[in-house]
Amino acid sequence: DGGITQSPKYLFRKEGQNVTLSCEQNLNHDAMYWYRQDPGQGLRLIYYSQIVNDFQKGDIAEGYSVSREKKESFPLTVTSAQKNPTAFYLCASSISAGQGNTEAFFGQGTRLTVV
Amino acid sequence: DAKTTQPNSMESNEEEPVHLPCNHSTISGTDYIHWYRQLPSQGPEYVIHGLTSNVNNRMASLAIAEDRKSSTLILHRATLRDAAVYYCILRDVRSSNTGKLIFGQGTTLQVKP
Repeated sequence: DGGITQSPKYLFRKEGQNVTLSCEQNLNHDAMYWYRQDPGQGLRLIYYSQIVNDFQKGDIAEGYSVSREKKESFPLTVTSAQKNPTAFYLCASSISAGQGNTEAFFGQGTRLTVV
Repeated sequence: DAKTTQPNSMESNEEEPVHLPCNHSTISGTDYIHWYRQLPSQGPEYVIHGLTSNVNNRMASLAIAEDRKSSTLILHRATLRDAAVYYCILRDVRSSNTGKLIFGQGTTLQVKP
């Protein structure tokens, strides 16, 4: 089945450690996005990529890094510089960035807890 | 990015219709109106989108005001599985746009049996 897969579903890390969240899609989508969601809040954009080997900062990029070496993959690294990394992280994709008449597909999320 | 305004919460009875409003008074001519919903601990799910005309699909209907400054998501017969947070989002169709979805707080829909 086509879709977008995030792994793992739950992740625990010690404070000060970097951690990488996986996001893979087999929908042949050009655009991919990372969002963060805190309890009771809406989603906030961390990074986005409109095409392979290109990505831009979103609204809350500090303390995060990404890469887009393959069309199918857009991993997110939460670095030790992120002050409050515990959150629910969501990855999304869409056919292309510049088509507002197309839908976005979301993964099931990774819940990161830093202790 | 144009903003949307939604009520924080709404209640409905099971098997009754639900009308979820959204105001977007600063909408531009190139903005599509999208609706997504999110169940607890899951990623958002696409519901419907439209530009000017009313739209229907298997999940819901979207009624768009003539001046496009507001829209209403209609669930024709609410079920317990429709209890979720519903987000109304504007997405620019221009090729220069990043395609990013800007989420507000959404409307939490409670469905009572």
